[in-house]
Amino acid sequence: QGQLVESGGSVVQPGTSLRLSCAASGFNFNSHTLHWVRQAPGKGLEWVALISHDGSNKYYGKSVEGRFSISRDVSKNTLYLQMNTLRTEDTAEYFCARDLKPFLTGYMDVWGKGTTVIVSS
Amino acid sequence: QSVLAQPPSVSAAPGQRVTISCSGSSANIGNNDVSWYQQVPGTAPKLLIYDNNKRPSGIPDRFSGSRSGTSATLGITGLQTGDEADYYCGTWDNSLAGGVVFGGGTKLTVL
Repeated sequence: QGQLVESGGSVVQPGTSLRLSCAASGFNFNSHTLHWVRQAPGKGLEWVALISHDGSNKYYGKSVEGRFSISRDVSKNTLYLQMNTLRTEDTAEYFCARDLKPFLTGYMDVWGKGTTVIVSS
Repeated sequence: QSVLAQPPSVSAAPGQRVTISCSGSSANIGNNDVSWYQQVPGTAPKLLIYDNNKRPSGIPDRFSGSRSGTSATLGITGLQTGDEADYYCGTWDNSLAGGVVFGGGTKLTVL
C-alpha cells in the first residue's frame, strides 16, 4: 500500500528558511505524483504544491508560490519542500501525500502523519 | 475563505443518514471530478471517495458521493459513532495557474 514519513519540522523565526523531507516506501516512487498539504492549527486543509512522477511538472498554491519549492530525489525515494522567507501564517502541520494513480488526478490515497512547522519570533 | 463551500457542521443520530454538500464553480467542480476525505482530529486525512462516486478498497459502501453541475454531495448511511470526524471535499481548479482546492471542512457530530 505504501508509507510516507515526514521530517524536518521545527520552530523558526519569520524570514528564515526550512526544508521538509518525506521518505517514501512500499510503492514505486517513480510512478506517482506527490503532494504537500498543510493544516494551520484549528483550520482546514490547504493544498501547497505537487510534483509529477518524473519531476517535470510542478504546481504551487497561491499563498506559497515564489517562496516554496518542491523537489524529489529518486535515488533516495524522498520528496522535499524547500520553504523560504517563512511567515507566521505558514505555521501548520505539513503532510505529504501520494496521488492515487500514476497520472495526476489530485486524489491523495496515502498520507504521512505530518510534521509541525511553527514560525514565530 | 475556501474556494469550495461546505457547511461548518452537520449532526445526526446513530443509524441515520446524513449528507454533506460542497459548492464550487465552473472553474473547479463544474469541470473536474471530486474527492472526499475524512479526518479524525489529530490524524492524517483519509481518502473516502474519488472520481465523484468511487470508493477506494476498504471504504464501506455506507459512504457514497455524487456530483451535479457545480456541486457535489457526500452521503453517509447507518451512522456510527466512529464516523464522527471532519470531512473535506477536494477537486482541481482550472483558474490561474491551477492546483488542488479543498472545501473548508464539515464537522460531523453523531449525537
